Amino acid sequence: DARVTQTPRHKVTEMGQEVTMRCQPILGHNTVFWYRQTMMQGLELLAYFRNRAPLDDSGMPKDRFSAEMPDATLATLKIQPSEPRDSAVYFCASGLVRSSGAPGEQFFGPGTRLTVL
Amino acid sequence: TQLLEQSPQFLSIQEGENLTVYCNSSSVFSSLQWYRQEPGEGPVLLVTVVTGGEVKKLKRLTFQFGDARKDSSLHITAAQPGDTGLYLCAGAGRDDKIIFGKGTRLHILP
Repeated sequence: DARVTQTPRHKVTEMGQEVTMRCQPILGHNTVFWYRQTMMQGLELLAYFRNRAPLDDSGMPKDRFSAEMPDATLATLKIQPSEPRDSAVYFCASGLVRSSGAPGEQFFGPGTRLTVL
Repeated sequence: TQLLEQSPQFLSIQEGENLTVYCNSSSVFSSLQWYRQEPGEGPVLLVTVVTGGEVKKLKRLTFQFGDARKDSSLHITAAQPGDTGLYLCAGAGRDDKIIFGKGTRLHILP
């Protein structure tokens, strides 16, 4: 059955290293979201794409984070350089935006648990 | 800034009891969604409410959207251990941006 996939599931790295997280959205979905989840802050929206175009990345620290969709089957979130405060679970979600009315369901991937030492 | 406050943050009750968790804001949302998240997994959508005053039922779960579309509640009847999880509310606000609350962590004791 169709689901969002994310790789890697776990990543441990040292401060200063580059981290790349990948997401394959569900085929046919036109929106992709990147979230970060921590106990303190909960689920925070980092970036939002519609039809592969970035619509909102105001939640993302621009100096070190970047999000791209090189094609419809791949979304990436990159952190360079990584810092210990970036340790969190990063979720990708995809969905279908309706032209009007309630937002559609977001289907979440299993997440990437990132630990920066 | 639009914010969603969820209460309580944590709730631990015995199997068979009833409970209500809340999602409140000072802002109006065009719609509100409830998700459940289990450990090691992403959130899964339970319901979307759109109309002020709307009530939706999903088996033992009853969701209500406030008349002013600023708040919502989730009531669980006869809680089961399988209901254990993190319950998140998410509001669609300005520019269709989805804002999540920090969640209520529910634990049902067998």
